[in-house]
Amino acid sequence: DIQMTQSPSSLSASVGDRVTITCQASPDINTYLNWYQQKPGKAPKLLIYGASNLATGVPSRFSGSGSGTHFTFTISSLQPEDIGTYYCQQHDNLLRFTFGPGTKVDIK
Amino acid sequence: QVELVESGGGVVQPGGSLRLSCAASGFSFRASAMHWVRQAPGKGLEWVAVISVVSIGGGYKYHADSVQGRFTVSRDDSRDTLYLQMNSLRVEDTALYYCARDKKVGHNDNFDFWGQGTMVTVSP
Repeated sequence: DIQMTQSPSSLSASVGDRVTITCQASPDINTYLNWYQQKPGKAPKLLIYGASNLATGVPSRFSGSGSGTHFTFTISSLQPEDIGTYYCQQHDNLLRFTFGPGTKVDIK
Repeated sequence: QVELVESGGGVVQPGGSLRLSCAASGFSFRASAMHWVRQAPGKGLEWVAVISVVSIGGGYKYHADSVQGRFTVSRDDSRDTLYLQMNSLRVEDTALYYCARDKKVGHNDNFDFWGQGTMVTVSP
């Protein structure tokens, strides 16, 4: 089974700060890695797919990088509307998926 | 526009059954693999099951280990509807259940549209 770890589990940052979340996969998952944002009481929203591709309509302050086992998600300038929980997600070639445990982001 | 609407949730006793539905509109349902994802209260996301396109591999299905043998995903392309039959329910199955559309881009798959979820509560 593919294991996913995500860090930190939570963070508090100021508006305008650069925020970075990491996701580790084991074993190697190539770039089969997606990132989602979930706001309280809402369904998750796709932000990044294929490790580094911005989903349609997503602001350019969001970005992703990495391949293999180590991935990074970045918000270049944190905005008040970015509050929520962020999840990484991986899949295998049989479309079986695993989510990371999530990172809760709030404003300091 | 793409819309996914789940229904069928409710309160059930341990050992009971429920069937969830997800009505799809605004896209070619038969051309999309579909997933169920759940979220226990205050917890993270857990992938539950996938069903592929029927025209590819006859609509293969996979279920998470936590529900294997108890839950079964199915689809009715004539009704543009996804189902999740849940049997032998346990207290730990209590969660908000989402359906989601699979979007394939090259070798990557992701969930580009989600429903708003239907709540399942398993309680004595």
